Amino acid sequence: DAGVIQSPRHEVTEMGQEVTLRCKPISGHDYLFWYRQTMMRGLELLIYFNNNVPIDDSGMPEDRFSAKMPNASFSTLKIQPSEPRDSAVYFCASSNRVGYTFGSGTRLTVV
Amino acid sequence: DQQVKQNSPSLSVQEGRISILNCDYTNSMFDYFLWYKKYPAEGPTFLISISSIKDKNEDGRFTVFLNKSAKHLSLHIVPSQPGDSAVYFCAANVEDDKIIFGKGTRLHILP
Repeated sequence: DAGVIQSPRHEVTEMGQEVTLRCKPISGHDYLFWYRQTMMRGLELLIYFNNNVPIDDSGMPEDRFSAKMPNASFSTLKIQPSEPRDSAVYFCASSNRVGYTFGSGTRLTVV
Repeated sequence: DQQVKQNSPSLSVQEGRISILNCDYTNSMFDYFLWYKKYPAEGPTFLISISSIKDKNEDGRFTVFLNKSAKHLSLHIVPSQPGDSAVYFCAANVEDDKIIFGKGTRLHILP
């Protein structure tokens, strides 16, 4: 198994632009999580899905953030419009209740 | 408000000595605690966990201690090795599948 796959690995964008981060979970995992890592706040849970349905999005910072999971093998996290304070590493993780597996993350820089 | 707190951003330990990483939590309803390890440019990986009904769990060089009355847990690594240099995240399970992470502690193992 290739593990949780995130793309792109790095993204540099200008303030105001739309950014889309992508995640492919491990096949058979029915939970998918989006986390954001910053120095100030550590690893924050943004949203998670169970069987493609959003369960808890209370961690999504603002309406500028949205996430979708159209099928069991793909999820997106979108920021529109992006702002410099959104710069962080965004991790996707999947789980089958036995344990979490994280992807390698997307480092987002908004200039 | 941080429910899982790691108050030491960094820690330096001599190779061969014991490393002790600390974590405090506020929610007495947490039923499972975990430690994750993270290398640069990689996602966090699971290291060790402990159920709230136990006070100690050991796995090789890694031992986690839980003091429920103090709402405190610690990770002991002995002996410390150069490959242990990483960021360590304390985490707690609050519902069936949602995990809350602390800010992390960067461990430096000195030669």
